[in-house]
Amino acid sequence: DAKTTQPPSMDCAEGRAANLPCNHSTISGNEYVYWYRQIHSQGPQYIIHGLKNNETNEMASLIITEDRKSSTLILPHATLRDTAVYYCIVRVGDDYKLSFGAGTTVTVRA
Amino acid sequence: DVKVTQSSRYLVKRTGEKVFLECVQDMDHENMFWYRQDPGLGLRLIYFSYDVKMKEKGDIPEGYSVSREKKERFSLILESASTNQTSMYLCASKLQGRNTEAFFGQGTRLTVV
Repeated sequence: DAKTTQPPSMDCAEGRAANLPCNHSTISGNEYVYWYRQIHSQGPQYIIHGLKNNETNEMASLIITEDRKSSTLILPHATLRDTAVYYCIVRVGDDYKLSFGAGTTVTVRA
Repeated sequence: DVKVTQSSRYLVKRTGEKVFLECVQDMDHENMFWYRQDPGLGLRLIYFSYDVKMKEKGDIPEGYSVSREKKERFSLILESASTNQTSMYLCASKLQGRNTEAFFGQGTRLTVV
């Protein structure tokens, strides 16, 4: 299985960009990279996903390296409400299995 | 908007009781999942289902079973609840396919006393 590696925690200043790294060095060619986040006491929420190209939506941007072995989620202007656990997921093998790791706890400070 | 609804937000049960956690989704999703979440351990997959009456074990199925008699409903069953099953339980659903995101319920915080 392709695994992901994320730092356990990071701090970010309010109003600044938050760059969340994820390593997935064993990813295969047809596997998407997904990002979710979980705000305290809520269920996880989908943020963004990508295959090869960089992606952007109203919440974030996803930068995937050319060799696809790592990616970065960018929150362009972090707010206090972005404090959450962020999960990077690479879907592997069977299409329907969805496994989460420990994620990165992001704390946005005023 | 997709809605995934879990039957209870908080639940307290006694050791040895049979416990049913219900999850319903309203978007005709093929895939449904049950996770538990504990401090420091992240989300761990218990069971998932890719179609009606179909189920597969996740990473920690011991002590649990599931039922999917209808497409919209996926039930998690604790045959004989134990204190180590005290946890937050999360249900999710998604369309079949690699390019689809999952939608989660708000979770059920189960306490077994």
